[in-house]
Amino acid sequence: GAGVSQTPSNKVTEKGKYVELRCDPISGHTALYWYRQSLGQGPEFLIYFQGTGAADDSGLPNDRFFAVRPEGSVSTLKIQRTERGDSAVYLCASSLDRGSYEQYFGPGTRLTVT
Amino acid sequence: EDKVVQSPLSLVVHEGDTVTLNCSYEVTNFRSLLWYKQEKKAPTFLFMLTSSGIEKKSGRLSSILDKKELSSILNITATQTGDSAIYLCAVVPSNFGNEKLTFGTGTRLTIIP
Repeated sequence: GAGVSQTPSNKVTEKGKYVELRCDPISGHTALYWYRQSLGQGPEFLIYFQGTGAADDSGLPNDRFFAVRPEGSVSTLKIQRTERGDSAVYLCASSLDRGSYEQYFGPGTRLTVT
Repeated sequence: EDKVVQSPLSLVVHEGDTVTLNCSYEVTNFRSLLWYKQEKKAPTFLFMLTSSGIEKKSGRLSSILDKKELSSILNITATQTGDSAIYLCAVVPSNFGNEKLTFGTGTRLTIIP
């Protein structure tokens, strides 16, 4: 069956620009997670959705980062006024429900801010 | 703040060798520990460990949790070149509503043919 998909796979943008990263979770999965992985580090939690609502956004680094999941399926991570330090791989994961900790990851979006 | 430490950071062995990867954790509320394999970008799930002392096994891979020592090991026997990857350990909190996985930095395993 189809796994978690993310688009684009790579994104290069200039400092100060706005970007949107998309995640399409496994069909039927109600929980969706965004992580950020810098080189040589493990994934770092950003935000978690249960259905349409952001249940925990404590990992978002600052107010330039925002994420939505309006219909409880596809999610978009939005970054305003990008900075070079935002360069990383952004991973999305989904799981069947909260408490179902087997999270299935997508291939990620590699964001490079020049 | 929850913390997960993995060792070694990197490991290079020859095909056929057996390796042991370590994960230790300091968390406020522990529920489970997860192991993932990351070859390119997407981590793939290997094991979830909740109970101490019970070994999980899948082919040549096995893992066990020691809650007293706050640690886990991942063993790979008869390694193959396809085992080359970064192995990530993550802990799951137990408090309701907290779904935040805390990952270690990973162990980069390289298998030489």
